[in-house]
Amino acid sequence: QSVLTQPPSASGTPGQRVTISCSGSSSNIGRNYVYWYQQLPGTAPKLLIYRNNERPSGVPDRFSGSKSGTSASLAISGLRSDDEADYYCAAWDDSLSGPVFGGGTRLTVL
Amino acid sequence: EVQLVESGGGLVQPGGSLRLSCAASGVSFSDDYMNWVRQAPGKGLEWVGRTKDKANSYSTEFAASVQGRFTISRDESKKSVYLQMNSLKTEDTAVYFCAREGYSSGPDFENWGQGTLVTVSS
Repeated sequence: QSVLTQPPSASGTPGQRVTISCSGSSSNIGRNYVYWYQQLPGTAPKLLIYRNNERPSGVPDRFSGSKSGTSASLAISGLRSDDEADYYCAAWDDSLSGPVFGGGTRLTVL
Repeated sequence: EVQLVESGGGLVQPGGSLRLSCAASGVSFSDDYMNWVRQAPGKGLEWVGRTKDKANSYSTEFAASVQGRFTISRDESKKSVYLQMNSLKTEDTAVYFCAREGYSSGPDFENWGQGTLVTVSS
């Protein structure tokens, strides 16, 4: 059971916009930044979004993040076949004194 | 270019020990927080622990699930970080990733190694 809650799956067609939610609590998302990772099959995770809505250099602006209260979302616009991957949210948890992850959302591009 | 390369994974019996290594290049290292994150087969990501930077005396922190069994050390001259795993349990079976933390006051793991598989089984 993950501390942060994500839907196990999401899907969309090429060109569509999809969103992935991440729900937490006051000890994590409620008072700390949210981060998003993309994990392509058989590879290490890659940082996609940091500090709720900022993109590292090289990450396309098709990817965007937002946060409200104890929830966050990752939006992917102009969906492409190579966006098919697992997506994880993460945040520092003050009660656990460490980072926590969501269970991951598998995105399928139909 | 930052590179992290893990090694040391393998098959170990329950109750046994194993030491993982992570060699870094293209980084300052002494200014970096270095983390271990694991992923059980078919499962999600789980933070294992970290060593802070020189300014914070290289102190370490661990997840509750491994506290007291795992330790982390680092060798600045080799730009390497180590995860010593003792009293291993079957539930410790996972791919272990080494990850370099950024400076944004959160789990912004900017760089990752390729991972090394640890299998705990009799």
